[in-house]
Amino acid sequence: NAGVTQTPKFQVLKTGQSMTLQCAQDMNHNSMYWYRQDPGMGLRLIYYSASEGTTDKGEVPNGYNVSRLNKREFSLRLESAAPSQTSVYFCASSVGDWGIAEQFFGPGTRLTVL
Amino acid sequence: AQSVTQLGSHVSVSEGALVLLRCNYSSSVPPYLFWYVQYPNQGLQLLLKYTTGATLVKGINGFEAEFKKSETSFHLTKPSAHMSDAAEYFCAVRYNNNDMRFGAGTRLTVKP
Repeated sequence: NAGVTQTPKFQVLKTGQSMTLQCAQDMNHNSMYWYRQDPGMGLRLIYYSASEGTTDKGEVPNGYNVSRLNKREFSLRLESAAPSQTSVYFCASSVGDWGIAEQFFGPGTRLTVL
Repeated sequence: AQSVTQLGSHVSVSEGALVLLRCNYSSSVPPYLFWYVQYPNQGLQLLLKYTTGATLVKGINGFEAEFKKSETSFHLTKPSAHMSDAAEYFCAVRYNNNDMRFGAGTRLTVKP
């Protein structure tokens, strides 16, 4: 039981390049999330998927797109990377999107945009 | 906008001393409250959570937190710090479905 896995672990991009961050969970969770973590700012929600087939914007969605490929997988795409997107990206999942549902986190992807 | 405030970005304690990490939230409606811990180069792990019922919540690794509605606070404590407690701690608050807000984090250092 791997929990939440993310690929890649590290990535360096040049401004304007595109890339997709992959996330998968094997806990049969319905809801999945993408966060970014910046120093002194905690985690901020980029996009989430309450259930398979649905996606919604979070607090900081600009410059990103997501795809809920199936119940297990939720990808985050940067179409044209910018230095402001240098961050650590975390994927998370939970049983549901209701109040007490605990979120389980992946190990993160450290992205640098030059 | 709803917010979560963690007082002190860095806290340093001696091994064996009391750990107190502060968290305040802005809401008149009691939310769902969580504390997560993040070890270097890892994702976040849940320490404890408050939903309803008893206001003192016990979590893993000897940590506990008390929900005080009148003070809109959910401070994290541990009676005796251990070297392995050195990590970053995040308070999180959920007001509505999927509106989960995290504090900026408090880095705990434990001195021998």
